[in-house]
Amino acid sequence: QKEVEQDPGPLSVPEGAIVSLNCTYSNSAFQYFMWYRQYSRKGPELLMYTYSSGNKEDGRFTAQVDKSSKYISLFIRDSQPSDSATYLCAMSAEGGATNKLIFGTGTLLAVQP
Amino acid sequence: DGGITQSPKYLFRKEGQNVTLSCEQNLNHDAMYWYRQDPGQGLRLIYYSQIVNDFQKGDIAEGYSVSREKKESFPLTVTSAQKNPTAFYLCASSSGQGNTIYFGEGSWLTVV
Repeated sequence: QKEVEQDPGPLSVPEGAIVSLNCTYSNSAFQYFMWYRQYSRKGPELLMYTYSSGNKEDGRFTAQVDKSSKYISLFIRDSQPSDSATYLCAMSAEGGATNKLIFGTGTLLAVQP
Repeated sequence: DGGITQSPKYLFRKEGQNVTLSCEQNLNHDAMYWYRQDPGQGLRLIYYSQIVNDFQKGDIAEGYSVSREKKESFPLTVTSAQKNPTAFYLCASSSGQGNTIYFGEGSWLTVV
């Protein structure tokens, strides 16, 4: 079993829809959680960073962490065609241990105009 | 602008040849990383360096080599010993505080 599981998609939604992207994990020690967006043939860019459980909102994006269920989510409201990309979750157990980040395989999202 | 520059963007290599991918950052970050990305496998850590003149193997270091002679630069050499080198290679850096890393635009290596 992989430490981090992410549905590869592709996920296709109409413009304006609410999108839910998810990752599950097996290591209960994980407490730092990130979401990256990666456009085709580009490097990933950091979208959201959360510590421990709870929600964090930034514009149309909301990151949610449920440590009891070992489950994290990224919600995109009012999705736009420009949101079409691969979304990667990443997590680690130790603060500052960027060499120990574990990435999901990514979910490909397509927002249809 | 501050950022991470990788070159070349696309590279073709004949079997049996070594090739070096360049990575330069002007973010004044201490730590630098090389990842490999393959479809369906996510990002896998090849090598990382947390300080000049020091580097550590990641999960898939076999067939790769690196150097860290300057804070700004962390080149990756893909040697002929790497059995399946065709992939997308990503360089990244971090300040060493917190858990966020920042990526370059990537280099596509194809073995022909």
